[in-house]
Amino acid sequence: DVKVTQSSRYLVKRTGEKVFLECVQDMDHENMFWYRQDPGLGLRLIYFSYDVKMKEKGDIPEGYSVSREKKERFSLILESASTNQTSMYLCASSSRNNEQFFGPGTRLTVL
Amino acid sequence: AQSVTQLDSHVSVSEGTPVLLRCNYSSSYSPSLFWYVQHPNKGLQLLLKYTSAATLVKGINGFEAEFKKSETSFHLTKPSAHMSDAAEYFCALTSGTYKYIFGTGTRLKVLA
Repeated sequence: DVKVTQSSRYLVKRTGEKVFLECVQDMDHENMFWYRQDPGLGLRLIYFSYDVKMKEKGDIPEGYSVSREKKERFSLILESASTNQTSMYLCASSSRNNEQFFGPGTRLTVL
Repeated sequence: AQSVTQLDSHVSVSEGTPVLLRCNYSSSYSPSLFWYVQHPNKGLQLLLKYTSAATLVKGINGFEAEFKKSETSFHLTKPSAHMSDAAEYFCALTSGTYKYIFGTGTRLKVLA
């Protein structure tokens, strides 16, 4: 079975802190994605990566950056956390044109 | 432009009665379509997918969906709801690019 793991289930940070969310997949997938999920808005794509060191902006990249140094790992970075970044963050991976497999999510609260 | 519209934000059914969750899509290309389920505080789990083979797709836990190109729909059904089906359901599409488009979700409530 495909497994996508995220470094934390729950995270509480303060405004202005630098936040790292890590995601690891074990199926050698080329594509990896970061979404945020907010009530009534569904899933919104922040960034995705289709290969090591390659990244593309999604629909809401402002305030975020990403890093993919190894194929299995995709990190989301909040350079200076703000309260409006309080959300559920979901990581996913896929092979090309196939379904995405999701991690369990990280619920981030920024105080 | 591609889009996914889930027509109901909330659906309530009684246990043992049929479930219908509606999804319409728009795509200029032949899409792949998916249904995912999300239980509270969990990630999304794939229920089923359509990728241009049979138009009636069977998934896990007794769910199925029918791809209707003429109606641009991909509705999710289940003959008999179970309490454990209470969750949020997402319809999604991709058309051969890296981008997946998700609907805003339908929260299913199952009444005892």
